[in-house]
Amino acid sequence: GIQVEQSPPDLILQEGANSTLRCNFSDSVNNLQWFHQNPWGQLINLFYIPSGTKQNGRLSATTVATERYSLLYISSSQTTDSGVYFCAVDLSGSARQLTFGSGTQLTVLP
Amino acid sequence: ETGVTQTPRHLVMGMTNKKSLKCEQHLGHNAMYWYKQSAKKPLELMFVYNFKEQTENNSVPSRFSPECPNSSHLFLHLHTLQPEDSALYLCASSQLGSYNEQFFGPGTRLTVL
Repeated sequence: GIQVEQSPPDLILQEGANSTLRCNFSDSVNNLQWFHQNPWGQLINLFYIPSGTKQNGRLSATTVATERYSLLYISSSQTTDSGVYFCAVDLSGSARQLTFGSGTQLTVLP
Repeated sequence: ETGVTQTPRHLVMGMTNKKSLKCEQHLGHNAMYWYKQSAKKPLELMFVYNFKEQTENNSVPSRFSPECPNSSHLFLHLHTLQPEDSALYLCASSQLGSYNEQFFGPGTRLTVL
């Protein structure tokens, strides 16, 4: 099956710093999503980005499908950005199955 | 609020109990999913329902029994679970088609004693 690898596994930042999270995948994909999981377990949709670049406030993402990777940029980080960031991809047919990476645990210190 | 709700949010049960998890989506989607998230592991897909028909069962033990009575509701019936089944169970929904973004509920944190 498809492999999804995220790096780094853990990241500690000072408030105000910028960061880049990476997601590599082993096959071509129909869909790629980035999520933020808060401390209570809720997965919050950040981006639906099978290709190209999108921006939403301090967050932006880029997927280069031909090279099988996606990047999530967080600028001017805040303590509320802490949590686990997941990348998930699917390459299936009519019933979309997301395969998740292991996540990046981000801690933003005040 | 993602438009997907789950109840209960927390559940503690013994190995001989029978309980059910409920998921409801208010997004008009036609596909629903159950995922399991164990500690220190990525999310694992358990079941997929497409227009109320189960299309995927990723080798899930029979002690987990899904039910999808309509495209807005999804249940996961639990019986004779094991302590290793303790996990966060997440429900998701999506609209199948060219744009298939999945939205997740807040999850049910299950503890099996």
